[in-house]
Amino acid sequence: AQTVTQSQPEMSVQEAETVTLSCTYDTSESDYYLFWYKQPPSRQMILVIRQEAYKQQNATENRFSVNFQKAAKSFSLKISDSQLGDAAMYFCAYRSLSGNTPLVFGKGTRLSVIA
Amino acid sequence: DGGITQSPKYLFRKEGQNVTLSCEQNLNHDAMYWYRQDPGQGLRLIYYSQIVNDFQKGDIAEGYSVSREKKESFPLTVTSAQKNPTAFYLCASSTPGQGTEQYFGPGTRLTVT
Repeated sequence: AQTVTQSQPEMSVQEAETVTLSCTYDTSESDYYLFWYKQPPSRQMILVIRQEAYKQQNATENRFSVNFQKAAKSFSLKISDSQLGDAAMYFCAYRSLSGNTPLVFGKGTRLSVIA
Repeated sequence: DGGITQSPKYLFRKEGQNVTLSCEQNLNHDAMYWYRQDPGQGLRLIYYSQIVNDFQKGDIAEGYSVSREKKESFPLTVTSAQKNPTAFYLCASSTPGQGTEQYFGPGTRLTVT
C-alpha cells in the first residue's frame, strides 16, 4: 500500500517570501500522479498543482512549483511571493495510475503567512 | 454550475442515533468517495464507489454504510456503531480514466453528543 508523509505539521513564512513544504511517499509503482491540495479556513479543498510521475519536468502553476525527485520519492511544494491568502492547510496526495482509485493523503502542513 | 453539494453544512445528533450525510454531484463523474478529516490526521478514506451499485470499503469503514443507487448520489450513513463519529466529512468525485484529480464538496461537520 502507498503511504504519504508530510513531516512538517506547521510552517510559517513572511509575506512576499518563499516557503517550501515537504512531502515524501512510498510506492512500488513506477507510474502514478502526485497532487498538492490547499484547504483554507473555509475547509473547501482546492487543487494547487499536479505532477505526472512519468514527466521529468517539474510542474508549475503561477507562484506554485514543485520539486519532484522520483528516485528519492520526494515531492515538495514551493510557494513564491507568499500572500496572506496562501495561509491554509496543505495536503500532499498520491494516486495510482490505474483506474478511478482514491487519493492517499498525507496528514497535512498548516501554513501561516505573517504580514 | 457543475459541482458537488453536501448538506447540511453542520449536523448535530444525539449518541445512539444513525445519521445520513448527503452528497450529490452533477459533474457526470463515475467515481465518488467519502473521507473523514480529524485534526492532525489528514483525510482518511471511508468508502468509495467507482460505478453505480458498487462500492468498496476504505481504511476506516467500520461503523459506516453507503449506497450508490444513482450516479449523482452517494449518501453516507454514520451508524451508532461508529465509536467516535464527531468529525468533518468530505465527499469527492472524479472522472473516468487516469490521473485526474478529485473534486471535493464543501464538507459536513457532524457533532454527536
